[in-house]
Amino acid sequence: EVQLVESGGALVQPGGSLRLSCAASGFTVSGNYVTWVRQAPGKGLEWVSVIYSGGGTYYADSVKGRFTISRDNSKNTLYLQMNSLRAEDTAVYYCARVGVVRGYYFDYWGQGTLVTVSS
Amino acid sequence: DIQVTQSPLSLSASVGDRVTITCRASQSISNYLNWYQQKPGKAPRLLIYAASSLQSGVPSRFSGSGSGTDFTLTISSLQPEDFATYYCQQSYSTPPWTFGQGTKVEIK
Repeated sequence: EVQLVESGGALVQPGGSLRLSCAASGFTVSGNYVTWVRQAPGKGLEWVSVIYSGGGTYYADSVKGRFTISRDNSKNTLYLQMNSLRAEDTAVYYCARVGVVRGYYFDYWGQGTLVTVSS
Repeated sequence: DIQVTQSPLSLSASVGDRVTITCRASQSISNYLNWYQQKPGKAPRLLIYAASSLQSGVPSRFSGSGSGTDFTLTISSLQPEDFATYYCQQSYSTPPWTFGQGTKVEIK
């Protein structure tokens, strides 16, 4: 059974840093595309970043240069390192597996972890 | 970047109604369009991928159609558990991949 469990969300001050984790089971992060999606309170979904099975990475313009996606294959875990955090980064962050048959779509999701950026 | 625009942003409907939600892309995206359902406090759930392919376990009352720039999600007979927010998402070519604004389906 595919499962993703996020952790690491917290209250952090503007300008601070935080690392989110996403522990995967039922599939390997090394053999799949895995992505982060966020949702600000009361707002819609925003795609954040993806890491390809080959290691390639992509970011939304809103986080480029501040966030870094990575993975630890030995722990089967995805990470999102977030630096220079801003109030507008406040959101629930979801990790998801990317299905790649006939396109790219997010077929399994974690429960989300809340990041609050505030002084 | 490719933008996707949903309409309407909200709608009121009754159980048993046929509901249609539209998503329009800012350029042709072939059939690289997906649909998700989200209920309050929950993670999104994939309903439709590749414009018209039904995800495993999703009821057959959900269907998707379209290609190029114009797409639709149809619920043939709205059920009580279908009251939720629905999002389209494009995944054409390399990222960034983008979501529509969401359509909230409420009880009339």
